[in-house]
Amino acid sequence: DSGVTQTPKHLITATGQRVTLRCSPRSGDLSVYWYQQSLDQGLQFLIQYYNGEERAKGNILERFSAQQFPDLHSELNLSSLELGDSALYFCASSVSTSFSYNEQFFGPGTRLTVL
Amino acid sequence: AQTVTQSQPEMSVQEAETVTLSCTYDTSESDYYLFWYKQPPSRQMILVIRQEAYKQQNATENRFSVNFQKAAKSFSLKISDSQLGDAAMYFCAYRSPNNNNDMRFGAGTRLTVKP
Repeated sequence: DSGVTQTPKHLITATGQRVTLRCSPRSGDLSVYWYQQSLDQGLQFLIQYYNGEERAKGNILERFSAQQFPDLHSELNLSSLELGDSALYFCASSVSTSFSYNEQFFGPGTRLTVL
Repeated sequence: AQTVTQSQPEMSVQEAETVTLSCTYDTSESDYYLFWYKQPPSRQMILVIRQEAYKQQNATENRFSVNFQKAAKSFSLKISDSQLGDAAMYFCAYRSPNNNNDMRFGAGTRLTVKP
C-alpha cells in the first residue's frame, strides 16, 4: 500500500458525459501528478500540482482539467468523454517538486470505461 | 524532449534464472533520475529500483540490479533468481530536473516467469 488513495476504483459512463476522479496523496506529500495509461501502453503524464498550484502540464487534453484543494487532495475532471478516453488513470504523489531525489508513489488507479 | 525506449515488448525467464530487461533513453541533460517500475496484474505501479545519473555506482535492491551506462544512455534491469511473483509489466522511466519532475515512461516489457 503506497498510501495514495484513488476513488472510484472503476467508472463506467457514456460518451459525452463528464466524470471526476479523486486522489488523496500520502500524508505530508505536497505534489500530485496525474497519468493516463491506455490499454497495454506506458503511462502518459497529464498534469502536476504542488501545494494547490499547477506546476506542469503534459499531454492533457483541453477537455480535461484538474485542481488541488487546500487539504491537498486532487480531482481530475474529464468532460465530453470519448471512447478513446477509456484508460487507467493514476495519481501519484511526492514530497516536493524540487530537484532532489523525489520518489513518486502511485495510487491503485481508476479504471474508466466509456461506452 | 526526452524519450524512453524499451525494445523488448515481451521477455520470458525460467524460475530461478536471471533475466535482463533493456531500456535506452534520449536526453541532452546531464543530471536526471532513472527508475524501473513493476506493474503486476493488479495494475498497481510499484517502484523497483532507482538510479541517480550523477552516481557511477549501479543501484542494487536485493535481487534487482541495474546496469547504468550514462554515455550509452542505457539503463537495463537485471533480475536474479527470478520468482513467479516477478511476472509483471516492467516500465523504465526518466525524470528530468526540469519540467517540474514529470516522468517519461517507456512502453513496457511484459515479463513471464515459467515454473
